[in-house]
Amino acid sequence: DTEVTQTPKHLVMGMTNKKSLKCEQHMGHRAMYWYKQKAKKPPELMFVYSYEKLSINESVPSRFSPECPNSSLLNLHLHALQPEDSALYLCASSLGGGSPLHFGNGTRLTVT
Amino acid sequence: KQEVTQIPAALSVPEGENLVLNCSFTDSAIYNLQWFRQDPGKGLTSLLLIQSSQREQTSGRLNASLDKSSGRSTLYIAASQPGDSATYLCAGDNNAGNMLTFGGGTRLMVKP
Repeated sequence: DTEVTQTPKHLVMGMTNKKSLKCEQHMGHRAMYWYKQKAKKPPELMFVYSYEKLSINESVPSRFSPECPNSSLLNLHLHALQPEDSALYLCASSLGGGSPLHFGNGTRLTVT
Repeated sequence: KQEVTQIPAALSVPEGENLVLNCSFTDSAIYNLQWFRQDPGKGLTSLLLIQSSQREQTSGRLNASLDKSSGRSTLYIAASQPGDSATYLCAGDNNAGNMLTFGGGTRLMVKP
């Protein structure tokens, strides 16, 4: 079992829908991350939060909107997505400073 | 920008073999290198992290080495078992945990 919990496990949404992905960790980690992984490809970094502040945005389209309400929670708000946004979205956390990243099991997103 | 490559892309071995997975990176100013395992449809499990000042790390049947001068890391798996079947990913970090760049992974199949 992973110590980073992501919900939902699966999500199907239309291009006009608004939905949110959630991520939670209780390890006291201060850095949290969103990665996107397409089939048979490696994960690609989307966003990094450090001490609840957005520190890195890898030029992600504005239809993806991250939010860090507190040190244990990380959300990814989705709006007006495209079919090519279908992927596995992975959340990770770490103590920062080069410590290992701990990943959740991801949310499998399908955009129809 | 750091680029990470893994060879081979796929590997099939009989149970009991010792094997080596290779990872190469372009920027020797790497802060650390992390090896992960990913089972189908799941998130990533951290296996080993090697700091730039270290040359190797060991955990059970796994041993990972890092040679910054040649831009290479290897993951050695001793006495492979069918349960080791998974995709193995290496990732280089040039920014103390904030910017992991992943290789394309090696899909390992260990046959009984």
